[in-house]
Amino acid sequence: ELKVEQNPLFLSMQEGKNYTIYCNYSTTSDRLYWYRQDPGKSLESLFVLLSNGAVKQEGRLMASLDTKARLSTLHITAAVHDLSATYFCAVDMRGDSNYQLIWGAGTKLIIKP
Amino acid sequence: DTEVTQTPKHLVMGMTNKKSLKCEQHMGHRAMYWYKQKAKKPPELMFVYSYEKLSINESVPSRFSPECPNSSLLNLHLHALQPEDSALYLCASSPHPSGKLGEQYFGPGTRLTVT
Repeated sequence: ELKVEQNPLFLSMQEGKNYTIYCNYSTTSDRLYWYRQDPGKSLESLFVLLSNGAVKQEGRLMASLDTKARLSTLHITAAVHDLSATYFCAVDMRGDSNYQLIWGAGTKLIIKP
Repeated sequence: DTEVTQTPKHLVMGMTNKKSLKCEQHMGHRAMYWYKQKAKKPPELMFVYSYEKLSINESVPSRFSPECPNSSLLNLHLHALQPEDSALYLCASSPHPSGKLGEQYFGPGTRLTVT
């Protein structure tokens, strides 16, 4: 059974600081996704990581994937208040004719001025 | 058109009511999903439609009944719900059920309250 673990589950940080969210998964998969969710809102796709060594950056966020270590990281550089949200990673589990996403528990990020 | 739409945005219903949630996408995606999300939790998969056929039903109670009238539409029929069914219901779609790009696009959700 595929399990996805995120840590930390809660992160409070100051603006301007750097930090990393980790996403570990238990079995082989080469597709990993990061989503953002604001309170009461839907899920917004941030990154799609499709291969080992994939690195993607958007603004102050950078995501990477190491399929050998079964680890993805979401790095926040010089955090700003607007990045406050809950971040989920999800891993593709392939079935016979379709796939589904196995979700991490989410990391609630609060960035203080 | 690169979005998934859902109606209504909010729904309050009694335990004896029958209501439906609607989801629509015009991106030509062939897989559509219903998720339930409780506060501070990740989404829980309920149903998956692949090429308009139900392919996954994650042991969801029969008071939830999905329907996929065509490749662009997905409905969730609700009947005799319980207060614990109150949650955010999210619809999503993806280009191909078993394709290389598995990214799911989510709608804005329906906030359901069962009284």
